[in-house]
Amino acid sequence: DQQVKQNSPSLSVQEGRISILNCDYTNSMFDYFLWYKKYPAEGPTFLISISSIKDKNEDGRFTVFLNKSAKHLSLHIVPSQPGDSAVYFCAASGASGTYKYIFGTGTRLKVLA
Amino acid sequence: AAGVIQSPRHLIKEKRETATLKCYPIPRHDTVYWYQQGPGQDPQFLISFYEKMQSDKGSIPDRFSAQQFSDYHSELNMSSLELGDSALYFCASRVWGESYNSPLHFGNGTRLTVT
Repeated sequence: DQQVKQNSPSLSVQEGRISILNCDYTNSMFDYFLWYKKYPAEGPTFLISISSIKDKNEDGRFTVFLNKSAKHLSLHIVPSQPGDSAVYFCAASGASGTYKYIFGTGTRLKVLA
Repeated sequence: AAGVIQSPRHLIKEKRETATLKCYPIPRHDTVYWYQQGPGQDPQFLISFYEKMQSDKGSIPDRFSAQQFSDYHSELNMSSLELGDSALYFCASRVWGESYNSPLHFGNGTRLTVT
């Protein structure tokens, strides 16, 4: 049972344009959401997070939007750069009685120069 | 800044052997998580520790055990290794005490190959 889903396995975007990565979750008890970037042969690197009491969090070129009613979050990268090419994972935590961070299946982003 | 340190980076073992993976969290981090990532898959939660006590358990086989020591480092012990145990094993740490919600910081993983 995949509680956190990223339905797009890959995405290609032109340099300078906006990249939008999407994530859906099923457990309404999740109250903390995170995005990670992963390069090959490295561990996931934390990018940005959002608490369920907010609907938007911004950090430089990265903005995360949370729509609780739709159980959906998205990561916007503006402007996209070739160095952003990586696999992006969303994660969720806070479901009642558990301290696990559940990861999505990842989206491979390729930013074309 | 100091990051999460995992050792070894690569490990090759034969079926039915044992393996021990080590994780040194970021200084002052009190919580450690272990994840297993197979090829093309998302990281799967195995087990976590807070202040040396197991805080949560995921899809960790009975053949695996883990613990967190007084210096907060953690070890994942894997016995009777099977071919399907070949994967990347990530350790992550965070600070629980300051906030219920805080991000996990990952090490670069141990790639285990079972032959």
